[in-house]
Amino acid sequence: GAGVSQSPSNKVTEKGKDVELRCDPISGHTALYWYRQSLGQGLEFLIYFQGNSAPDKSGLPSDRFSAERTGGSVSTLTIQRTQQEDSAVYLCASSLTGGSVEAFFGQGTRLTVV
Amino acid sequence: GENVEQHPSTLSVQEGDSAVIKCTYSDSASNYFPWYKQELGKGPQLIIDIRSNVGEKKDQRIAVTLNKTAKHFSLHITETQPEDSAVYFCAASTSGGYQKVTFGIGTKLQVIP
Repeated sequence: GAGVSQSPSNKVTEKGKDVELRCDPISGHTALYWYRQSLGQGLEFLIYFQGNSAPDKSGLPSDRFSAERTGGSVSTLTIQRTQQEDSAVYLCASSLTGGSVEAFFGQGTRLTVV
Repeated sequence: GENVEQHPSTLSVQEGDSAVIKCTYSDSASNYFPWYKQELGKGPQLIIDIRSNVGEKKDQRIAVTLNKTAKHFSLHITETQPEDSAVYFCAASTSGGYQKVTFGIGTKLQVIP
């Protein structure tokens, strides 16, 4: 596609449920990043993929959070047993390589845990 | 790790006036400083960046300055227009690219027509 695509755009879930957020990066981009943007906060790094491997997952806040990337393309961020504090906008970005100057962001998934 | 502080958190200016957003960073190894603009409902978009071997960079109405000694950098927008209204994020990276980018908290800029 022309840009980074994330789905769904909005997700409302009940506390305790699991959710999956999807990111389709720009074709050919080997690096992929997940960020979390909470109200009034900056962009919080979650995880970085180079190809299908994740050399840096230091930002995942707890073991309820996991992510995978298959075929060097689509990535899924999974949050298990969601809590209210997980409510945020989850942003995905991709870049040509891990050392690329510019990363391109998707529009984000707004997650609301009720 | 790197810590990036950004201020002000909100900024209102009259159309045509200038806007300045300032950031400081903690890690002297940081060598790449991008600025992002995030419009409502959209993801952040890179608008300008600067590397540590450069003190200033301009692109039309936007300019960035970097003071490595003081570890601070600034975004200057001149002749502001209503479409400049957005949230602006500064960031610092130690990798020269995007791998190790730390973002500031963001500045909500409102340009009043």
